[in-house]
Amino acid sequence: GAVVSQHPSRVICKSGTSVKIECRSLDFQATTMFWYRQFPKQSLMLMATSNEGSKATYEQGVEKDKFLINHASLTLSTLTVTSAHPEDSSFYICSANPLGHEQYFGPGTRLTVT
Amino acid sequence: KQEVTQIPAALSVPEGENLVLNCSFTDSAIYNLQWFRQDPGKGLTSLLLIQSSQREQTSGRLNASLDKSSGRSTLYIAASQPGDSATYLCAVLVGGQNFVFGPGTRLSVLP
Repeated sequence: GAVVSQHPSRVICKSGTSVKIECRSLDFQATTMFWYRQFPKQSLMLMATSNEGSKATYEQGVEKDKFLINHASLTLSTLTVTSAHPEDSSFYICSANPLGHEQYFGPGTRLTVT
Repeated sequence: KQEVTQIPAALSVPEGENLVLNCSFTDSAIYNLQWFRQDPGKGLTSLLLIQSSQREQTSGRLNASLDKSSGRSTLYIAASQPGDSATYLCAVLVGGQNFVFGPGTRLSVLP
């Protein structure tokens, strides 16, 4: 089946720094990828829709200037958490789907901001 | 706006029991419904995918049903095992091609 990878799987950063998370579709092209986050003991919530070659679409309440999304190619979307704070500590998961097929989720990235 | 709820929030059963997890969604305009399993600190494992035109799907000891008109799905787990202990998430695929997730049911199967 299709594979979506994420890197890194786990990252710890200091408050005020920025961290980049990569989401790759390994064996298919994806014009659209989705970024979700999951706070402890909560379910997954859609943050934004990443569109190849155009601006991302953010869900209500998600700061677009804080969570920068770049979808520069058909196999790579990046999420950069800028000026991270402890409240940004969360589990971030991306998903993508080959056209007309089911979506595949990446393994997730656990971000801890100290 | 689509909302997904799951009942119960948590469930503890002895090994060998059959059990049912419930999922409800408010808008029947969905493309499909998917059940996932999530182990603590881990990502998602897809269990069953039901297309909007389908009524049920089966995989091993798992059976999922979908009643789109009433906005309900159930996940039936037969002969539960300790290894089934995890959080089970129900999610619906909506028009924007993104998923809306339920809050999950935390299952504990006691040996």
